[in-house]
Amino acid sequence: AQSVAQPEDQVNVAEGNPLTVKCTYSVSGNPYLFWYVQYPNRGLQFLLKYITGDNLVKGSYGFEAEFNKSQTSFHLKKPSALVSDSALYFCAVRDLGGTALIFGKGTTLSVSS
Amino acid sequence: DAGVIQSPRHEVTEMGQEVTLRCKPISGHNSLFWYRQTMMRGLELLIYFNNNVPIDDSGMPEDRFSAKMPNASFSTLKIQPSEPRDSAVYFCASSLGGTGGSEQYFGPGTRLTVT
Repeated sequence: AQSVAQPEDQVNVAEGNPLTVKCTYSVSGNPYLFWYVQYPNRGLQFLLKYITGDNLVKGSYGFEAEFNKSQTSFHLKKPSALVSDSALYFCAVRDLGGTALIFGKGTTLSVSS
Repeated sequence: DAGVIQSPRHEVTEMGQEVTLRCKPISGHNSLFWYRQTMMRGLELLIYFNNNVPIDDSGMPEDRFSAKMPNASFSTLKIQPSEPRDSAVYFCASSLGGTGGSEQYFGPGTRLTVT
């Protein structure tokens, strides 16, 4: 069965510092991996995805994620955090042929000025 | 594009009443998803339509929940009768293709409170 783990409920970082939000997954076969962001009282917004190819994927708002097959991880990163990046971040996975996106429980990112 | 549109944004109702949530997907998208978000259970997929046909409804909690998609631009999620434990935020999402690497685009959600 597919599953996603986001081991940290909250990540705190100072503005200007690099940030990492962790995600590990479990699927049978090759995964499709996604990151979404949710601002208060809003729907989820798509940030980036990994399908195949280059392990470093670049997405919206300066975010990127690195796919590591051996560690079954897909960590979200940004070189320099902004206060406006503060939000709830979700990792999601879908296996080959699957339809449902399986979401992690989310990680709250708090960026302080 | 206006994105996925959901209505109402907020709904407060009494236990036992019927609730209908509405969704208009992004034009041209052929897959539609209904999710429920709660603090306890996170994001749960309720049902998935492809080309207006329900493909996977295994996430629908019980017979009190039903969903329809009469055409490519409209879907409803109905709860009858509603119960306090149905209180949650309900999201509709659409995508071009429902499998593989297709990303889903979410609406703003309907916050349902059942008293």
